[in-house]
Amino acid sequence: GAVVSQHPSRVICKSGTSVKIECRSLDFQATTMFWYRQFPKQSLMLMATSNEGSKATYEQGVEKDKFLINHASLTLSTLTVTSAHPEDSSFYICSARDFVTGYGYTFGSGTRLTVV
Amino acid sequence: EDQVTQSPEALRLQEGESSSLNCSYTVSGLRGLFWYRQDPGKGPEFLFTLYSAGEEKEKERLKATLTKKESFLHITAPKPEDSATYLCAVQAGSGTYKYIFGTGTRLKVLA
Repeated sequence: GAVVSQHPSRVICKSGTSVKIECRSLDFQATTMFWYRQFPKQSLMLMATSNEGSKATYEQGVEKDKFLINHASLTLSTLTVTSAHPEDSSFYICSARDFVTGYGYTFGSGTRLTVV
Repeated sequence: EDQVTQSPEALRLQEGESSSLNCSYTVSGLRGLFWYRQDPGKGPEFLFTLYSAGEEKEKERLKATLTKKESFLHITAPKPEDSATYLCAVQAGSGTYKYIFGTGTRLKVLA
């Protein structure tokens, strides 16, 4: 089945620095990927839709300048958290769909970001 | 406004004690309903897709059903390894592939 690889799985950074998270579709091409944020014991909240070769579409309330998304190829999307603050600490998850097999979206394993 | 609600929020079962999880939805133009399993610190793992009322899908001890207003995830004779958070999500409307997630049900199966 479709596999989405997400790295890193855990990252700790200092306030004010930037962190990049990668999401790769390993065995299929993904023209669209999604980025979610999840707080403890809460469900997934969609942050943005990443489109290959074009600008990402952000959900209401998500700061475009803080959460930079780049989808430069059909297999790679990146989320950069810029000037991170402790309140950005969260679990970030990406997903993509293999339209060939038609199954539900496949999710990455997530990235636990801690800003100190 | 499109909405997805899951109940119960948390559920504790004894091993072998069957039960059902509920996912109620109010959306305009359901395109699909999806069930996922999520283990702590991991991304959701795909279980089922349901597209129309009356549809059923089965996988091992799990069976998902769909009506026009809700979906059930039935767990038959659960084992401790079935302990996880179960999420449902819907796709609705035209021209969009976005998911709307429910809040999840945290299941704990005791040996």
